[in-house]
Amino acid sequence: GAGVSQSPRYKVAKRGQDVALRCDPISGHVSLFWYQQALGQGPEFLTYFQNEAQLDKSGLPSDRFFAERPEGSVSTLKIQRTQQEDSAVYLCASSLRWPNTEAFFGQGTRLTVV
Amino acid sequence: QQPVQSPQAVILREGEDAVINCSSSKALYSVHWYRQKHGEAPVFLMILLKGGEQKGHDKISASFNEKKQQSSLYLTASQLSYSGTYFCGTEIGGGGADGLTFGKGTHLIIQP
Repeated sequence: GAGVSQSPRYKVAKRGQDVALRCDPISGHVSLFWYQQALGQGPEFLTYFQNEAQLDKSGLPSDRFFAERPEGSVSTLKIQRTQQEDSAVYLCASSLRWPNTEAFFGQGTRLTVV
Repeated sequence: QQPVQSPQAVILREGEDAVINCSSSKALYSVHWYRQKHGEAPVFLMILLKGGEQKGHDKISASFNEKKQQSSLYLTASQLSYSGTYFCGTEIGGGGADGLTFGKGTHLIIQP
């Protein structure tokens, strides 16, 4: 497709489980972002890649969160030992080049930790 | 630091105008506006770069006051499809090494 694709759309995890969330950016987009969106809030920045380089991971809430983009295209956000407070929508966005251009968001993965 | 959006919510009749404001305590490099409908991805509306420019397309426009670190989104003759939550995202660095910091959003409801 032409847009940012995320999978799965929904994920239910038991507390303590590890999860992996996938993002397929728009083809050719160099920049890729992960955001976390709690219910009723705006997206919160987690991390940013330019090609395969992770330029900023200051928003990752703990060392349980890890993101990678090994070939500069698809990215995976991994959360280890999930906790209830990790429940949120995880949004991925990509941009042709950053800054100064628009970023396009995927529909997100809704993670529920029970 | 998170930008502050106002109002938090607004209800309009179709055809009325609306203004949504976004202000920051830090010097801004750019402001990005998005609209998000329930359960959907945020949709890009426009970007305003440092320089105080005003942009617009169709009946939606925006301004950026660099001195006041404020941006405003103007919705003219609102349509039912304008309903949703509007977010401003701000970029402070300008060096391209960080993402956007979003406000809490403004909920806009357009009634027929």
